[in-house]
Amino acid sequence: GAGVSQSPSNKVTEKGKDVELRCDPISGHTALYWYRQSLGQGLEFLIYFQGNSAPDKSGLPSDRFSAERTGGSVSTLTIQRTQQEDSAVYLCASSFYGEGWRAFFGQGTRLTVV
Amino acid sequence: AQSVTQLGSHVSVSEGALVLLRCNYSSSVPPYLFWYVQYPNQGLQLLLKYTTGATLVKGINGFEAEFKKSETSFHLTKPSAHMSDAAEYFCAVRIQGGSEKLVFGKGTKLTVNP
Repeated sequence: GAGVSQSPSNKVTEKGKDVELRCDPISGHTALYWYRQSLGQGLEFLIYFQGNSAPDKSGLPSDRFSAERTGGSVSTLTIQRTQQEDSAVYLCASSFYGEGWRAFFGQGTRLTVV
Repeated sequence: AQSVTQLGSHVSVSEGALVLLRCNYSSSVPPYLFWYVQYPNQGLQLLLKYTTGATLVKGINGFEAEFKKSETSFHLTKPSAHMSDAAEYFCAVRIQGGSEKLVFGKGTKLTVNP
């Protein structure tokens, strides 16, 4: 498709388990962002990729959170030993500079930790 | 540091009435400003953006916003609300240089009453 694709759309996991969330950005977009959206908290920045490197990881809330990007394309956000407070919608966005800067968002992955 | 404040987490209007969603920002450099809309269980869709030039920006679905530097504001308006406008609206400022990430406000949920 032409948009940012995220999978799965919904994930229910048990507390303490690890989860992987996937993001396929728009082809040719070099920048990729992960955000977390919790009820009443707006969108919280997690991490930014330029190509395969992550120059800004300042938003990752703990060392249980990590992310990687391969081939300048697909990115995976991994949460280890999930906790109930990790329950949120995780949004991925990609961007480019052509026609002025803008970010395109995926539909998100709704993570529920039970 | 850049930040965004959206006044009013919930706004309710009647169909056909004026929509006014408030956004104030703080930025040490000329800002790039955005409004995004999020319909239930969907990702974020760009409504409009201000980068440089004309301070009155027109977006999709009849929305517009005016950048007022003296007031550090970027309020979103629509002359006549439709039922289909019911959604959550997010104002964001782009941090230039570095990760160029978007910093979001906490969002305003718009309800349109028949």
